[in-house]
Amino acid sequence: EIVMTQSPATLSVSPGDRATLSCRASQSVSNNLAWYQQKPGQAPRVLIYGASTRATGIPARFSGSGSGTEFTLTISSLQSEDFAVYYCQQYNTWPPLTFGGGTKVEIK
Amino acid sequence: QVLLVESGGGVVQPGRSLRLSCAASGFTFSSYAIHWVRQAPGKGLEWVAFISYDGDKIYYADSVKGRFTISRDTSKSTLYLQMNRLRTEDTAVYYCARVLIPALPWFDYWGQGTLVTVSS
Repeated sequence: EIVMTQSPATLSVSPGDRATLSCRASQSVSNNLAWYQQKPGQAPRVLIYGASTRATGIPARFSGSGSGTEFTLTISSLQSEDFAVYYCQQYNTWPPLTFGGGTKVEIK
Repeated sequence: QVLLVESGGGVVQPGRSLRLSCAASGFTFSSYAIHWVRQAPGKGLEWVAFISYDGDKIYYADSVKGRFTISRDTSKSTLYLQMNRLRTEDTAVYYCARVLIPALPWFDYWGQGTLVTVSS
């Protein structure tokens, strides 16, 4: 099973600032990685797939990068609606599909 | 628009059974693979099960293998999760989620979830 590790667990950021979230895989997942955003009481929503491709309707301030075992989600200028929990998910080697533990982006 | 609507959650005692449903609309249900993903209260996401578009391929997480059964009824555009021998650690919100490309399963649509509470 591929273990996904996200850091930090919590990120305190001021509105308008840049946020950088990390995700590490225990073995290479190539570029088969997705990022999701989840707000309280809501289902997750896909932001990025293929490590760097924005999903339909996702603003350009969200960008993904990386391949192999190291990945980054960057939010270039945080808006109020971006404060949420973010999860990475690998789909290169499955079953099982595996998610990271999440990074909570909170208002500083 | 694409909609996935889960139902069937509730409070159940350990060792008992429950069946979840996921009603799909807005797309050709028979053409898409669907997964179940769960989230324990205050915790992260855990993949549970997968069924191919035609029901021929089925996979489970080790934590539910032998206890849960995933199935689909194309005539009703509905996905099911039969959960037997429930444990307290199965307490979670259960989501059904669609994938665009079965071999590259990232989830493009999710349902709103249904809460299962296993407690005596």
